Amino acid sequence: DTGVSQNPRHKITKRGQNVTFRCDPISEHNRLYWYRQTLGQGPEFLTYFQNEAQLEKSRLLSDRFSAERPKGSFSTLEIQRTEQGDSAMYLCASSSVRQGPYEQYFGPGTRLTVT
Amino acid sequence: GQQLNQSPQSMFIQEGEDVSMNCTSSSIFNTWLWYKQDPGEGPVLLIALYKAGELTSNGRLTAQFGITRKDSFLNISASIPSDVGIYFCAGIPSRSQGNLIFGKGTKLSVKP
Repeated sequence: DTGVSQNPRHKITKRGQNVTFRCDPISEHNRLYWYRQTLGQGPEFLTYFQNEAQLEKSRLLSDRFSAERPKGSFSTLEIQRTEQGDSAMYLCASSSVRQGPYEQYFGPGTRLTVT
Repeated sequence: GQQLNQSPQSMFIQEGEDVSMNCTSSSIFNTWLWYKQDPGEGPVLLIALYKAGELTSNGRLTAQFGITRKDSFLNISASIPSDVGIYFCAGIPSRSQGNLIFGKGTKLSVKP
């Protein structure tokens, strides 16, 4: 039974560059969530998908952020024109509507450093 | 936006002691979850609570969903060194579709 996986685990980029992260949820989990976590804080919700439909977006998700889940399986989160304030841990979680829609299981995260 | 107040911020305890931490909100939550996070890793789900007044255990961990639906408590009995980490409460507000609101965490340190 494979958990949520995220790639890469670490990313260092220069300000102004674009970055893309990937999340593979637990198989058969139809809900997928993205969160951002900064040092000393709890995770903050960014967006979530049910199958391939993006159902909710936080106001934290500026125009430079875009998330996709094209076939209802893996998801990508892209940040364009990165800023130093984007430095954070980006966490992905998944859940199953049938088995327990609110029990979200997290991946190990992708730590982004913008220099 | 909605916030969860989690306390205490940090705890230093002796191995074998019991631990209590809590989370409060100014608004009603339908679901409470407790997670543990180790450095550099994602949060790991410990306990999920769905009904007001519900008391649920997972090994040495016990959590309760407050009757007012605005608070939750986590107790750890007979702490051991591997309990070290940051514990987060998370809740789903009554009109949310499922996105979690997290507290700021309680950092637990256990002295052997």
